[in-house]
Amino acid sequence: QVQLVQSGAEVKKPGASVKVSCKASGYTFSNYDINWVRQATGQGLQWMGWMNPKSGNTGYAQKFQGRVTMTRNTSISTAYMELSGLRSDDTAFYYCARTRGWRKDFDSWGQGTLVTVYS
Amino acid sequence: QSVLTQPPSVSGAPGQRVTISCTGSSSNIGAGYEVHWYQQLPGTAPKVLIHDNTNRPSGVPDRFSGSKSGTSASLAISGLQPEDEADYYCQSYDYMLSGSRVFGGGTKLTVL
Repeated sequence: QVQLVQSGAEVKKPGASVKVSCKASGYTFSNYDINWVRQATGQGLQWMGWMNPKSGNTGYAQKFQGRVTMTRNTSISTAYMELSGLRSDDTAFYYCARTRGWRKDFDSWGQGTLVTVYS
Repeated sequence: QSVLTQPPSVSGAPGQRVTISCTGSSSNIGAGYEVHWYQQLPGTAPKVLIHDNTNRPSGVPDRFSGSKSGTSASLAISGLQPEDEADYYCQSYDYMLSGSRVFGGGTKLTVL
């Protein structure tokens, strides 16, 4: 079955960077875009950006441009999201989710990774 | 503020029917982009409930239905059950925000 398994929780200091991984299994990794969505505690969902695993092409939400980088390692079917210049308001759950195309739904989600920014 | 507007909360008794609205604009829902709905149970990742305005993935009960008209969409849940208590989010695409997927702010459904 389709699975997206994310790396474990992280605690970072303000100004640091964090890199979260998302390992895909149960489908052909290159056939679906990987998106990243974050959710602060008690808040709604916020889309951060997408990456096409086949080409490596990316697109980032305006709010995160300049701070986020999405990459992949196709040999191990794993996507990565790196966020730099962390602030306390970056404390959130970060989810990866796959889509078949830019208009399609997020049909499978990772379990989420809690990133805590704490001085 | 979210690009798509949802009511913060709705409630209903078991067996009743509730609807959750999702209001957008001419750059997203009104432009013809599809609306998708997600259910998020406490402490879990979201799960797609309705895709492409009206379609239920396999395994989603037919008590859940979606519709779309103009710049708005709605999720209807009939025959409410206690396990439906969750947060619900609508999602679409907005061409004014350079490739952005956009979410509603979410609606908390309470089953009384």
